[in-house]
Amino acid sequence: EPEVTQTPSHQVTQMGQEVILRCVPISNHLYFYWYRQILGQKVEFLVSFYNNEISEKSEIFDDQFSVERPDGSNFTLKIRSTKLEDSAMYFCASRTGGPYEQYFGPGTRLTVT
Amino acid sequence: AQTVTQSQPEMSVQEAETVTLSCTYDTSESDYYLFWYKQPPSRQMILVIRQEAYKQQNATENRFSVNFQKAAKSFSLKISDSQLGDAAMYFCAYRANDMRFGAGTRLTVKP
Repeated sequence: EPEVTQTPSHQVTQMGQEVILRCVPISNHLYFYWYRQILGQKVEFLVSFYNNEISEKSEIFDDQFSVERPDGSNFTLKIRSTKLEDSAMYFCASRTGGPYEQYFGPGTRLTVT
Repeated sequence: AQTVTQSQPEMSVQEAETVTLSCTYDTSESDYYLFWYKQPPSRQMILVIRQEAYKQQNATENRFSVNFQKAAKSFSLKISDSQLGDAAMYFCAYRANDMRFGAGTRLTVKP
C-alpha cells in the first residue's frame, strides 16, 4: 500500500541554523500539507500546497518557513533560522482531490538546541 | 474561524467495553468533512473514520462508529468491544479547506 514517507526521522540542530525537512507524498496525490505538533499538544496546520503554489497557510507559517516541490516527488519544508520553540514533530500529509482524507507521514522530530 | 473542541483530555475504558469520545466544532461552512485520527505512542497519525457533512448516515468502520449531529455540530466517536491496541491519543479533525484538529483525548484501555 502506498504511503507518505519523511526524512529524516529525527533532526537535531542548533538555534539559528537552517533545516530542510523532506517528504515524499503518495504519487498520484495532488494536495500536500505540513503540520507540526509540539510535544503534548495538538496537531497544528502550517501550510497547504496545490498546483505548485501555497493555497493556504496559518499564522504560524511566517517568513522563516518556506515550502517547495523541487521535482515531481519531493515536498520540502525549510525553516530558515531555527528557534528553540520550533522543536516539534513535523508531519507531512497528502491527498487526492475531493472528499478524501489526508494520509500522514510518520513525522520528523525536530530538536533545536 | 473553524475550531474543534475535545472536552475530554483523558478517558478510560475496560477491555471489551464501549467508550464514546466527544467532539464539537464551530463552522459557518455547509460543506465539510470530519475525521477521527488515532495517534499511538509511535506518534504516527492513523485515520480511524471519516464523515462527509452532506451525508446523514453515520459512518461506521468495524468496531468504530460516529454519532454525527450536524445541527448541534457534534461528532462523537464510539469504540465498541475495546481492545488493548485501541489505547492511544484520539484527535477529532475538521476540514473545509485546511485541516483543523482538536486538542486530543488520551484513551486508556484497562485489561
